[in-house]
Order: sequence, then structure tokens, then C-alpha cells
Amino acid sequence: NAGVTQTPKFQVLKTGQSMTLQCAQDMNHEYMSWYRQDPGMGLRLIHYSVGAGITDQGEVPNGYNVSRSTTEDFPLRLLSAAPSQTSVYFCASSYSKATVLFYEQYFGPGTRLTVT
Amino acid sequence: AQKVTQAQTEISVVEKEDVTLDCVYETRDTTYYLFWYKQPPSGELVFLIRRNSFDEQNEISGRYSWNFQKSTSSFNFTITASQVVDSAVYFCALSPLRGANSKLTFGKGITLSVRP
Repeated sequence: NAGVTQTPKFQVLKTGQSMTLQCAQDMNHEYMSWYRQDPGMGLRLIHYSVGAGITDQGEVPNGYNVSRSTTEDFPLRLLSAAPSQTSVYFCASSYSKATVLFYEQYFGPGTRLTVT
Repeated sequence: AQKVTQAQTEISVVEKEDVTLDCVYETRDTTYYLFWYKQPPSGELVFLIRRNSFDEQNEISGRYSWNFQKSTSSFNFTITASQVVDSAVYFCALSPLRGANSKLTFGKGITLSVRP
């Protein structure tokens, strides 16, 4: 049981490049989400998904795309990287049940992205 | 809208001192979850506790204790007899109990330094 895995751990991009941050979980969690962490800002929700085929925007979605074709995977795409997207990105997943949406979220180890 | 305020940004204590980390929240939901997460220098996010809004009992786990007061919308975290290993960033977070738009809102975090 690997939990939530993220690749890559580190990435440097040039402005305008595109890339996909990978996130996978093997706990059969319905709920998955992406956060970015910036100094002094805490964690801010980018996008989330309540199940395969269903995604929605969070607090800071601009510049990012997501899709959820399987329960296990929830990739985050940067379409045209900008220096403002330099951040640490965390993927998370959680269990959900009919009466409550989720319990605690399990976080991946993070991806540190630098855009020059 | 949800909001979590952690007014303390940095706290420094000497080992064995007790320290309380404050968390104040705002929500229009009548039922919700509150969380505390720890982020040690290694960067991963570690779940500490989840409390639902209809359970106002305080909780103690070893040196950690949590005081939930609905009347003041606060969910404070106390570390008794702090240790150097407690040095980390601590995040308080809030989510609705249920609903398709449930998501976790984090505070900006408190950096705790425990000096030997």
C-alpha cells in the first residue's frame, strides 16, 4: 500500500513550457485534490475531484487543468508555466461515505516546482 | 465561505515549555470538520486530529491536547512539555461535513521552533 504518490519530486521549467504533475493513490479513495503551498499563504486548493469523471475548481484554478479518468489517478497540467506558479504542489486523497464526504486527507510527499 | 485564521505566525519556546497554537474559524455551515496537520522540516503533511462540530469534548493524546469551543469558533492546540521534535509548521483546517462542494480550507500556518 503506497498511499499517495507524486512524481516528479522536483522540476524546473522555463516560462511558457507545459508539464503534467502526476498523482496516484492505491487506497480506492473517491476524493482527490491538488493544493499549492506558498510561503506565508498556507495551502490553497487548486482543483478537486469527487470521483472519476468529476472535477471542480478550487480557490486558485487559473493556469491549471485536471482530469480524472480513473479512481487512482489525478494529474495536474500546467498549460503554459509562469514564474507565479513556482510553488510546492501537494496531491491529497480521502475516503468518502454516503453520509459524509470525507475523513482526513492523505497527502503525497509534494512536488517542488520552479519556473524561471 | 469558509475561513481559518491562525494569527500567530511564528512561536519560539524552550524545550519543556507548554505552548498553545490558536485557531479561529468562520463558516456558515452548521456541521463541519476541524483538523490540525503538522509539517516537519522534511516537508510532508502529517494528520494530527479531526474533530466534528457536534462533538465539543476536548481531546488529549499524549503531550497533545485540543480545545474546541464552538461559542468562540476556536480550535486551539496545546503541546505540553514541548520537545525539539515538535519544531514544525502547524496548520489548522476546516471543511463542511458533507456536500458535493466539500473542500478543506487551511489557515496560513504557525511555525513553531522549540530550542534545546
